Parts: sequence; structure tokens; C-alpha cells
Amino acid sequence: NAGVMQNPRHLVRRRGQEARLRCSPMKGHSHVYWYRQLPEEGLKFMVYLQKENIIDESGMPKERFSAEFPKEGPSILRIQQVVRGDSAAYFCASSFGQGPGYGYTFGSGTRLTVV
Amino acid sequence: KQEVTQIPAALSVPEGENLVLNCSFTDSAIYNLQWFRQDPGKGLTSLLLIQSSQREQTSGRLNASLDKSSGRSTLYIAASQPGDSATYLCAVRNTGNQFYFGTGTSLTVIP
Repeated sequence: NAGVMQNPRHLVRRRGQEARLRCSPMKGHSHVYWYRQLPEEGLKFMVYLQKENIIDESGMPKERFSAEFPKEGPSILRIQQVVRGDSAAYFCASSFGQGPGYGYTFGSGTRLTVV
Repeated sequence: KQEVTQIPAALSVPEGENLVLNCSFTDSAIYNLQWFRQDPGKGLTSLLLIQSSQREQTSGRLNASLDKSSGRSTLYIAASQPGDSATYLCAVRNTGNQFYFGTGTSLTVIP
């Protein structure tokens, strides 16, 4: 079981470009979560998805950010027209279910640097 | 909104010492609580998950306790080793869809 796979591990983008971050959940997990870790800050929830559905996007910035989890393939977090403030580590987590007995398994993250 | 606080922010101990990391949360109506470790530049590794109905969980040299009524959890590490050096994160979930994270305790175990 390969765990939660995120790619790329590091991504450098110039201001105004698009960033696409990919996450493949653990085998058998249908719940995917994206978190952002800004320098010197804790992890902040962004969005929760199940296959083909966004369940909770209450932590997503209203503009430029979008997420999807298609029927086939990985979950994608997309940031359009990146700005310096988007530089952060973006972590994906997955879980088998939503009950109290289910915790998260995290990927290694994608470190985005906007220059 | 749930607020999670971890004290101390940093801790340095000699190898072999037993230690306790603290986590407090403001909303006691939690679903579960999970402790993670994060190594520099790496992802999060799950250590222990405690459901709201449980008081503690143990894994090897680690023991996590939960006191919902007082809004606290502790992570006890026995016989610390240099390999335990990392940032330890406490995450709390209410009935919603997200975990709320503390900012972590940075642990250094000195050989």
C-alpha cells in the first residue's frame, strides 16, 4: 500500500502562473482533504471531497482556488494566477470513512514557491 | 470555532528522559483527536487516534490520554531517543469535516 501520494514534491511558479497539485489517496480511501501550512503557522483546512463531489469548501479562498476529485484519477488542487502569499506547503490527506474511528493519513506535501 | 493550543512550543530533553506534551482545546464536544509527528520538510505521520469515547491509546513508547471535560490531551513519550526529535502536532475533530490543528511542539532529544 503506497500511502497517500502527492506530486510534485516541490513546485516553483512565477507570479501569475497556474499551479496544479495532485493527490492520490490511499487505496480504498474515498475521502480526500486538502490542508495548507503557511510558514510558522499551523495547518489550515481548505476543502473536503469525495469522488466527483465537493463536500465542504469552507476553508478555500473565494477566488483563484479550486479543487476536484474526478471519478478516475487523482484529486487536483488548482491555484490560478498565483501570488507570493500562496507560497506554502499543501498537504493532502485521505480517510476510509468519516466516523470517529477513522483518522487521516497524510501525504508528504507539495511545497509551492512563488517567485 | 475550535481553538487548539499546544504547550510548550519547544522542548529540549536529554536522551532517556520521559516527557509529556500538552494539547488543549476549547470545544469539548469532539469526535476524535489525533496526534501526528512532522519531520522538517516532510509530511505528517499519524501516531495515535483517540475516539471521543476513549480515555487513552498506547503504541510502543507512546501513550496519549484524553480528558474531554477539561478539554485536554497529553502525549507521553517514554525513554526518549534522538530519533524522536520532530514537531508533534495535535489535531481535534468536532462533528464537522475538518481537523483543527495546534501549532505544534518542537521536540529535540539530545544524545
